[in-house]
Amino acid sequence: EAGVAQSPRYKIIEKRQSVAFWCNPISGHATLYWYQQILGQGPKLLIQFQNNGVVDDSQLPKDRFSAERLKGVDSTLKIQPAKLEDSAVYLCASSLRVNEKLFFGSGTQLSVL
Amino acid sequence: GENVEQHPSTLSVQEGDSAVIKCTYSDSASNYFPWYKQELGKGPQLIIDIRSNVGEKKDQRIAVTLNKTAKHFSLHITETQPEDSAVYFCAASKGGSGGGADGLTFGKGTHLIIQP
Repeated sequence: EAGVAQSPRYKIIEKRQSVAFWCNPISGHATLYWYQQILGQGPKLLIQFQNNGVVDDSQLPKDRFSAERLKGVDSTLKIQPAKLEDSAVYLCASSLRVNEKLFFGSGTQLSVL
Repeated sequence: GENVEQHPSTLSVQEGDSAVIKCTYSDSASNYFPWYKQELGKGPQLIIDIRSNVGEKKDQRIAVTLNKTAKHFSLHITETQPEDSAVYFCAASKGGSGGGADGLTFGKGTHLIIQP
């Protein structure tokens, strides 16, 4: 079974630029999550989708972050404009349905200079 | 919201010895407690999980215990091996009881070092 796919693997940008990350969940998984992991810390939830609807975006900085999951399959997370403190690994995870085990991708490492 | 505390931040044990990592949580509504292992450059990988209707769960060399009254849970690794070296995270969630929102709240992680 293929895992959660994410791209790009690494991204370096300057502050105030924009960036986008892509995630393709495990086939058939209805629930998709984006997490932010700052160096030395545990992942922090940014947004949760159930199919193509948002279930929880309470911790998403909506003035600069946006995410969508068109057609309930793959998803994109965008940051515009980026700040230095956005430097982190952005992890995508999926589960078959709510209250099931989460499977993580390898993440996109973002460096904002 | 939920707050998860994890200790210790670093744990060094001799190969073959046991390792124990402890976590506490704040929200009594949390009912799902997974443990993840993260190796350098990779995403977290689920190694074991427990739900609040169970007090203990074991899978080969790994076990997790849960004390709902005290709101703490622990990971036990026996007969440690070099490949156990990694960062381990505990997490907690309400398991969908919050209107479908079941995002995990993670601890800060424990760097486990297995000394040969």
